[in-house]
Amino acid sequence: GQSLEQPSEVTAVEGAIVQINCTYQTSGFYGLSWYQQHDGGAPTFLSYNALDGLEETGRFSSFLSRSDSYGYLLLQELQMKDSASYFCAVSPAGDYKLSFGAGTTVTVRA
Amino acid sequence: DTAVSQTPKYLVTQMGNDKSIKCEQNLGHDTMYWYKQDSKKFLKIMFSYNNKELIINETVPNRFSPKSPDKAHLNLHINSLELGDSAVYFCASSPTRSGVTYEQYFGPGTRLTVT
Repeated sequence: GQSLEQPSEVTAVEGAIVQINCTYQTSGFYGLSWYQQHDGGAPTFLSYNALDGLEETGRFSSFLSRSDSYGYLLLQELQMKDSASYFCAVSPAGDYKLSFGAGTTVTVRA
Repeated sequence: DTAVSQTPKYLVTQMGNDKSIKCEQNLGHDTMYWYKQDSKKFLKIMFSYNNKELIINETVPNRFSPKSPDKAHLNLHINSLELGDSAVYFCASSPTRSGVTYEQYFGPGTRLTVT
């Protein structure tokens, strides 16, 4: 089976930097994904890491260390619109399934 | 618009009733999913179809029955609705390469309330 751990809540002010950590245990592993979900909305794909290292997409970056079974999502120059839930998810090998963490609620204050 | 759509967006019904939720995607993906998201926001996979074939069937009461008439559609029928079925149900689709999926596209969700 799979298990993922991420913090339940993070609060920060506009302009700050937030790092959401995700540790995972899986029977197989292809990669780590991140999704954003605003209240009342649908999850939307943010990023995917299959290899170790940092992937940057605008203000958001995602990092993976396969040897540590660990990744993080970095949100820079926080804006009010970044207030949302962020989910990490793993792709175990060959079973078509994406297993999600419980989500981290990020609250951005003025 | 290129997207995953599902209907209805809201569904309020009484215990014991039977209801269906429909999902369609025009992204050309070969794999579709149903998720249940409870009040604590945990996304739980329920079912998945790949090219109309059921490939994931998690521990879900058999009151829930998915049907995929073709690759672009995946419907969910729920019999004898119970209070605990109240949740948001999301349909999703993804391109899948050799059984691996990492980027899923979600529909807007159906908020089901059972009274």
